Amino acid sequence: SQQGEEDPQALSIQEGENATMNCSYKTSINNLQWYRQNSGRGLVHLILIRSNEREKHSGRLRVTLDTSKKSSSLLITASRAADTASYFCATDEDDYKLSFGAGTTVTVRA
Amino acid sequence: DAGITQSPRHKVTETGTPVTLRCHQTENHRYMYWYRQDPGHGLRLIHYSYGVKDTDKGEVSDGYSVSRSKTEDFLLTLESATSSQTSVYFCAISEEPGGEKLFFGSGTQLSVL
Repeated sequence: SQQGEEDPQALSIQEGENATMNCSYKTSINNLQWYRQNSGRGLVHLILIRSNEREKHSGRLRVTLDTSKKSSSLLITASRAADTASYFCATDEDDYKLSFGAGTTVTVRA
Repeated sequence: DAGITQSPRHKVTETGTPVTLRCHQTENHRYMYWYRQDPGHGLRLIHYSYGVKDTDKGEVSDGYSVSRSKTEDFLLTLESATSSQTSVYFCAISEEPGGEKLFFGSGTQLSVL
């Protein structure tokens, strides 16, 4: 079953704007991760946030986690054409399994 | 792609034939996973391995089997391929349990006609 669900399904923004996408999940987690997938490629790990963390930064990425609402957000600041990709959240269901959402497709227009 | 090679990259086969996909890693990571990716479903876990000869089922394991006889190789077999198994298959590896920081291969596009 799909643990995480991203919102919106698709997002189109102008280069230089910020992009925000959200992830909601159903059960308690140890950590939540965000991955990026460029067209025709495998997923690339972006950032991991643990359940006892509320916010984390990595370059132009900012991730928040609200365990009380079972939700996370990924913010990409000052977007570039190279940020055009699909973004997935993933949560740990148990010791070995990671559950992915269906993804948010981001298009950055020049 | 972090020392992960999937083969073949593309395959077209007929319904009822057996198919084996191979994942080879050079990272010596303990954990290996097979996912399939379909539009609207994201990635769904088929099988995973937590060590040599140690494997377990994921959420969509019916019709699939796996084997891991060496640390570096994780094979996914479709015993008798069906059209519903047309998908993109991804192998992933991780050093940590719980799927922390997965590294993905480039995928295998499988078409079952």
